Amino acid sequence: DTEVTQTPKHLVMGMTNKKSLKCEQHMGHRAMYWYKQKAKKPPELMFVYSYEKLSINESVPSRFSPECPNSSLLNLHLHALQPEDSALYLCASSQDQSSGNSYEQYFGPGTRLTVT
Amino acid sequence: EDQVTQSPEALRLQEGESSSLNCSYTVSGLRGLFWYRQDPGKGPEFLFTLYSAGEEKEKERLKATLTKKESFLHITAPKPEDSATYLCAVLWGGSQGNLIFGKGTKLSVKP
Repeated sequence: DTEVTQTPKHLVMGMTNKKSLKCEQHMGHRAMYWYKQKAKKPPELMFVYSYEKLSINESVPSRFSPECPNSSLLNLHLHALQPEDSALYLCASSQDQSSGNSYEQYFGPGTRLTVT
Repeated sequence: EDQVTQSPEALRLQEGESSSLNCSYTVSGLRGLFWYRQDPGKGPEFLFTLYSAGEEKEKERLKATLTKKESFLHITAPKPEDSATYLCAVLWGGSQGNLIFGKGTKLSVKP
């Protein structure tokens, strides 16, 4: 089973709202990722968690706050977003993320976020 | 300068018309090259991993190959359901484990 699940599928929020995106995997993977994808563009990496610790933050604005409660779950907390943050938010996981390994990443279906 | 370049940007084929998609890379110390398929509004679906020059992998009508500078995704006798955007991504020595994606090739297969 190579399934990564994400909820919700769609989210519409105002610029003053607080919302959260959720991601879950049960493959025993120890690395989890958040990506942002705009229309007709490739995914852009936002955050990487390795063994439940934040290992990469690609200079993402603080209105995006990631959280990894345990090895199977990854959240992305959203607050005071801007309309330009509207995009498809993708979660992914891989077996590992250390420099010596090259494991493929498995992506979830994404959350389509619209900021009004 | 892009480190991963895919061509063409878009490709239209008739059903049964075989062709190839290209992914060229300029990174050094390649640790892995990955092919994904992405349907509109959905997450990328993993297809293949290639690690070293000369390696080939196949899955149904798709075959991926790797050289020292590029990878090809060959599509044999495509069907309309093969229509999607195909993404190439690389993992290299200096990337700390995160993928560098190309911009993708949008494939349309007409019946």
